Formats: sequence, C-alpha cells, structure tokens
Amino acid sequence: KNEVEQSPQNLTAQEGEFITINCSYSVGISALHWLQQHPGGGIVSLFMLSSGKKKHGRLIATINIQEKHSSLHITASHPRDSAVYICAVHFQGAQKLVFGQGTRLTINP
Amino acid sequence: ETGVTQSPTHLIKTRGQQVTLRCSSQSGHNTVSWYQQALGQGPQFIFQYYREEENGRGNFPPRFSGLQFPNYSSELNVNALELDDSALYLCASSLDKLYGYTFGSGTRLTVV
Repeated sequence: KNEVEQSPQNLTAQEGEFITINCSYSVGISALHWLQQHPGGGIVSLFMLSSGKKKHGRLIATINIQEKHSSLHITASHPRDSAVYICAVHFQGAQKLVFGQGTRLTINP
Repeated sequence: ETGVTQSPTHLIKTRGQQVTLRCSSQSGHNTVSWYQQALGQGPQFIFQYYREEENGRGNFPPRFSGLQFPNYSSELNVNALELDDSALYLCASSLDKLYGYTFGSGTRLTVV
C-alpha cells in the first residue's frame, strides 16, 4: 500500500531554533515534495527531491532512498515560518501525489 | 513565466447547486491535476488531465467532472453539491505527467 507518514504532527519552538520534520514512505518513489501551506492558504512547493539533498535559504531537504525517509530542516527559525509543512510522494507508476498528514509548525517570538 | 492561477478564490453555494472552478496552468505545462482538501485533512486526488484527456481518477463520484482545453487550462465541475463538498480545491500543473508540480492557491468552496 502506498503510504506516507510524517512526524511530528505538531511542533512548537522558539524563534532561532533548528527545526526538523520527518517523512517516511512505504515503497519506491519517483519523487518526493516538501510543501508549505499557511492557514487558509494554498500550497507552495518548497522542494522536489529524488535523491540527495537540496538547500534554499534557511531550508534544507534531504532524502535517503534506501531507508525511504526524508527530512526537512529549518535553520534559525522565524515566526513567519509558522505554517503546515506537507510531505507528498509520487510513487513509481502512479499519476497522483500521496500526501502526508502534515506537520503544524508554530514558531514563537 | 506565470504560475498556476485558480478562480474564483472563494465561493459560497447552496446544497444541490452546481459549481465550476477554473485553473490556468503554468506556461509550458500540459498536465493538470485537481485535489480536494477538506478542513484539517491532507489533499485527496480527484483526477488528472493530460492533453485534454482524463489520465486517472481518484475515489470521487461521477458528479465530479472535469475538462481540459487546448490551451491546457482546466475546469472542475461539481453537480448536486453536498455539504461535505465544502473544501479547498487545489489545481497543480506539470509537464508530460511528470512530477514537477506547480500548485495554485486554491478555491475555497463553502456549501451551505
């Protein structure tokens, strides 16, 4: 079964802390997306990964294909990073993205 | 390069009515996927259109239908609206059914 699990479901931290959000999936994938969604808002694509590591500003995404696991890291977190972060996976041979449950991140000043 | 544009941004409809949501895909993209995101839930796949043909469908009833036009823009139509259809409807475009998705900001539909 094609499944995607994220942890934690909720995360509250202080401004400046290093944040890690995890995503595990069940079978082989073509690509994994990390997405950001602000309350009431649409989805913004942060990264698309099929191997290795990508960095954009304070955001870093890594993927380990053998372990079927990806992480999203935020360095020097800021209150504007508060949002729901979603891992979405394109399983091999599938048309659709399968989404994780999301991680609700709150960064307090 | 323009992104994905969805219209309208918000919509209120009465149970039993019909609604049409629109999506303009990113320039150069020929594939459009529609997702429904109920409050507090993750997005669920409705269907995908590739070069004007349906290319896969999720677990949604036939009253959810779609179209893709020659310019690759797309419509999602929902007939006989039910209260549970209240959700954020997301459109994502990509090139040749591949996985480099660009998402729109969504249409928030409220059925009363």
